[in-house]
Amino acid sequence: DAGVTQSPTHLIKTRGQQVTLRCSPKSGHDTVSWYQQALGQGPQFIFQYYEEEERQRGNFPDRFSGHQFPNYSSELNVNALLLGDSALYLCASSGRASSNQPQHFGDGTRLSIL
Amino acid sequence: AQTVTQSQPEMSVQEAETVTLSCTYDTSESDYYLFWYKQPPSRQMILVIRQEAYKQQNATENRFSVNFQKAAKSFSLKISDSQLGDAAMYFCAYRSAAGGGADGLTFGKGTHLIIQP
Repeated sequence: DAGVTQSPTHLIKTRGQQVTLRCSPKSGHDTVSWYQQALGQGPQFIFQYYEEEERQRGNFPDRFSGHQFPNYSSELNVNALLLGDSALYLCASSGRASSNQPQHFGDGTRLSIL
Repeated sequence: AQTVTQSQPEMSVQEAETVTLSCTYDTSESDYYLFWYKQPPSRQMILVIRQEAYKQQNATENRFSVNFQKAAKSFSLKISDSQLGDAAMYFCAYRSAAGGGADGLTFGKGTHLIIQP
């Protein structure tokens, strides 16, 4: 049973560029959430996708956008990259849109901005 | 907005001993979920234990147990018989039950747990 998978594992970009990160949820899960974890900090919620729609969003600017596909996989896009966007980006999936379902996390994508 | 505070940046314990990690949170809601996640150097966030706020009984998972004090808004994690594999960052997290699952987790800053052999 495959867990949450993310790609790539590590990415290096320069300021002003755009980046796309990918996530495949755990088998049987239909809800995907994205988090940003700066060095030495806890993860911060970016947004959540369910039924291909953004359901909830944290305190992140519009430069951060996402998409969910019919197979429940998801992408996180970040435009006009800033040095402060350097972080570990975590994807989490959960079952059927319920608070009772715990979120399962992937290994993350380490994004470095030069 | 909810906040989660972990006041211990780092804790150290001898192998086989017991350690307690502290967590407090602030919320005006009455129905919510609390979690402890473990993040080893491999980066993956692993669920350790969870607690539903409406349940008075403290959750237990093998060597891991919580002390949930709803009135005090406190949610500590006790690890018994500590093992070398328990060494990791531990994060306390909160999630509202009001959003039907749409709300993300709110995390604390974490506690780095060191196990001394």
